Amino acid sequence: EDQVTQSPEALRLQEGESSSLNCSYTVSGLRGLFWYRQDPGKGPEFLFTLYSAGEEKEKERLKATLTKKESFLHITAPKPEDSATYLCAVQDYGQNFVFGPGTRLSVLP
Amino acid sequence: DSGVTQTPKHLITATGQRVTLRCSPRSGDLSVYWYQQSLDQGLQFLIQYYNGEERAKGNILERFSAQQFPDLHSELNLSSLELGDSALYFCASSVEIRTDTQYFGPGTRLTVL
Repeated sequence: EDQVTQSPEALRLQEGESSSLNCSYTVSGLRGLFWYRQDPGKGPEFLFTLYSAGEEKEKERLKATLTKKESFLHITAPKPEDSATYLCAVQDYGQNFVFGPGTRLSVLP
Repeated sequence: DSGVTQTPKHLITATGQRVTLRCSPRSGDLSVYWYQQSLDQGLQFLIQYYNGEERAKGNILERFSAQQFPDLHSELNLSSLELGDSALYFCASSVEIRTDTQYFGPGTRLTVL
């Protein structure tokens, strides 16, 4: 059974204080690993898809990396507007999606 | 605004009842996905439709069913509702059958009393 865990559960950073969020997964056959951002009461917003170990993708202050068992979302010099819940999900070759519980990020000014 | 619309925004009903949630995908998107998000279970994939056909099934209960119509809008039917069905229900859409960018709607908040 596919499983996704995320750590930490919550993270408070000062503006400009870089950090990383972790997503650990077990999946029968990884078709893709996804990162989403979700603001309270809203639908998730797509950030990245990673397909194979060693792959990296960047967007503004965010950088996602992938190994065979985990993915990291690195946040460089975060701003208060980066505060949100970050969700990680895996998709297997059966087209099923499994989401992690998320990491609640708060960036204080 | 993702371009995906969901109605109604809020729905309050009683146990044992049946409700229908509606989703209109972005213009040009052929795939529709349904998700349930509750506090204790997180975001769970329910089902995917592509151009009217069911393509993938996740943790969808037998009391729940969905369909996608020729105009590509989709409906999620929830019957014999239980208290535990209270959750946010999201619809997402994508262009193709296996594309990586899903655009999520604003969700329907269902409360079962």
